[in-house]
Amino acid sequence: GAGVSQSPSNKVTEKGKDVELRCDPISGHTALYWYRQSLGQGLEFLIYFQGNSAPDKSGLPSDRFSAERTGGSVSTLTIQRTQQEDSAVYLCASSLSRPTGTQYFGPGTRLLVL
Amino acid sequence: ILNVEQSPQSLHVQEGDSTNFTCSFPSSNFYALHWYRWETAKSPEALFVMTLNGDEKKKGRISATLNTKEGYSYLYIKGSQPEDSATYLCAFSDTGNQFYFGTGTSLTVIP
Repeated sequence: GAGVSQSPSNKVTEKGKDVELRCDPISGHTALYWYRQSLGQGLEFLIYFQGNSAPDKSGLPSDRFSAERTGGSVSTLTIQRTQQEDSAVYLCASSLSRPTGTQYFGPGTRLLVL
Repeated sequence: ILNVEQSPQSLHVQEGDSTNFTCSFPSSNFYALHWYRWETAKSPEALFVMTLNGDEKKKGRISATLNTKEGYSYLYIKGSQPEDSATYLCAFSDTGNQFYFGTGTSLTVIP
């Protein structure tokens, strides 16, 4: 079956511009996660959605970052007024449940802020 | 913020060697421990999830053990092959529904 998909696969933008990253989770997965990996760093948790519950935003690095999940499926991560330090690979994952549910990752979006 | 530590940070082995690495996590409020393999230019791929102290899981030449009382898990690779080259991530889930990844062990298998 279809896995987690993300778009775009690569994004180059200028400092100060807004960007939107999209994630399509596996159908039926109620949990959805956003992570990022900056150069030389490990996976950094950003935000977590579970069903219709309020999202866990504890990992968002600043108020320039926001995310929404529409209809319990597709999610969009928005970064406003991008900075060079936002350059990273942004990964989305989904799982059937939490916390034991195995997370299935998308291919990521490679963001470069010039 | 909770620390999940992995060691070593990187490792180079010859093809055919066996190797192992460690994931350390808090022993309190344990719920599950996950191992993932992350190959360059690909997405992290789940290897194992373990929930009980003493659990052992095996997938081909790769196996893992879990000690929740002392807070560690080992990942073993027997007879390493070049295709095993990847970053191996562990992730810890606690009873508060939080999920924490380690920084990974980067394995390079030299043909």
